[in-house]
Amino acid sequence: AQSVTQLGSHVSVSEGALVLLRCNYSSSVPPYLFWYVQYPNQGLQLLLKYTTGATLVKGINGFEAEFKKSETSFHLTKPSAHMSDAAEYFCAVSDTGNQFYFGTGTSLTVIP
Amino acid sequence: GAVVSQHPSWVICKSGTSVKIECRSLDFQATTMFWYRQFPKQSLMLMATSNEGSKATYEQGVEKDKFLINHASLTLSTLTVTSAHPEDSSFYICSALQPPQETQYFGPGTRLLVL
Repeated sequence: AQSVTQLGSHVSVSEGALVLLRCNYSSSVPPYLFWYVQYPNQGLQLLLKYTTGATLVKGINGFEAEFKKSETSFHLTKPSAHMSDAAEYFCAVSDTGNQFYFGTGTSLTVIP
Repeated sequence: GAVVSQHPSWVICKSGTSVKIECRSLDFQATTMFWYRQFPKQSLMLMATSNEGSKATYEQGVEKDKFLINHASLTLSTLTVTSAHPEDSSFYICSALQPPQETQYFGPGTRLLVL
């Protein structure tokens, strides 16, 4: 069975500081990996995804994530936090079938 | 980009009534859609997988007679909450699986309040 662990349910950063949201997964097969963002009272928006190829993936709003197979990680980063980045972030893993597994989410607060 | 819509976005109903929520993939065909429920400040809870032309697959603990799912076309799935009660009040989110890379795209969610 697959699982996703997001370390830190709450992360606070200062505006302009580096954002690092951690995601580790367990999978018995090469996974597809996703990061989604959720703003209050809205659905989830796809930030970026890794399927195959380059392990450093760039997404929308300046976010990127790197697939590290040896560490079974897919951490999300952004060099400089903006106030509008405050939201809930979910990491997800799929075994390329119809099964998706979501992490418990990380709430990002940006301090002005 | 892939767009998924949900309707209605908000619904308030009396206890005992049934509520239907629609999920549509606007610019792609989706043989598979998912229905989730989300409680405040929590992650998504998968309720069921909706497959076009066949019966939905429900997760353990989800009452299929309570939450009726119909996926009659490649762009539309519906979730009907039958005989709704206050404990069914929640945020319901659907997603559609976009082939070929099997990415889920989510709808904006429907907030249900049962009085």
